[in-house]
Amino acid sequence: QSVLTQPPSASGTPGQRVTISCSGSSSNIGNNAVNWYQQLPGTAPKLLIYKSNQRPSGVPDRFSASTSGASASLAIGGLQSEDEADYYCAAWDDSLSGYVFGTGTKVTVL
Amino acid sequence: QITLKESGPTLVKPTQTLTLTCTFSGFSLRTSAVGVGWIRQPPGKALEWLAVIYWNDDKRYNPSLKTRLSITKDTSKKQVVLTMTNMDPVDTATYYCAHRDIVVLGDAFDIWGHGTMVTVSS
Repeated sequence: QSVLTQPPSASGTPGQRVTISCSGSSSNIGNNAVNWYQQLPGTAPKLLIYKSNQRPSGVPDRFSASTSGASASLAIGGLQSEDEADYYCAAWDDSLSGYVFGTGTKVTVL
Repeated sequence: QITLKESGPTLVKPTQTLTLTCTFSGFSLRTSAVGVGWIRQPPGKALEWLAVIYWNDDKRYNPSLKTRLSITKDTSKKQVVLTMTNMDPVDTATYYCAHRDIVVLGDAFDIWGHGTMVTVSS
């Protein structure tokens, strides 16, 4: 049972903007950096965002993220077919003394 | 170029101990701020962090699994080993190891291995 809650699914047509939410608490998102991972079908997760809003080299700038209080969000602008994947938020939780992943959101490109 | 590769048994029996090895290249676990972690994913389910070990031998464990886990490193062999005792069918999952650099990336895992599927069944 994850302490970071994400909607199970999100969808959009090519070119649209899609936003995924990640709801936590003061012991995780409210006090620590958030990371986002993309997992394409049948592959290992890939780091998409670190330190709440930083993109690793090679990640397109149409992926962006933000935090507000105990919630975070990932936005995918200009949705493309190759963005069809599962997306996970993650953060350190001070109360649990552990790194926690979100429940995951499956993004479908219609 | 950083790479990591997991290895270990594909099938273990209930109550047995699982030993997984992560063999890496492209970085050293002698380098300050570097760590290697383990994360697992049951079929069709979310990711779950298990443990991480750092260059200074600091170790952190998922508190809900702490009594069953042990993580060690062999710096010269460039390997990190995870052991999990008392395996149960609910531990059936793909197990990943991943690289972390806490100065550059904070607590994010930036490079992941391909994963190894472990099935627990009698």
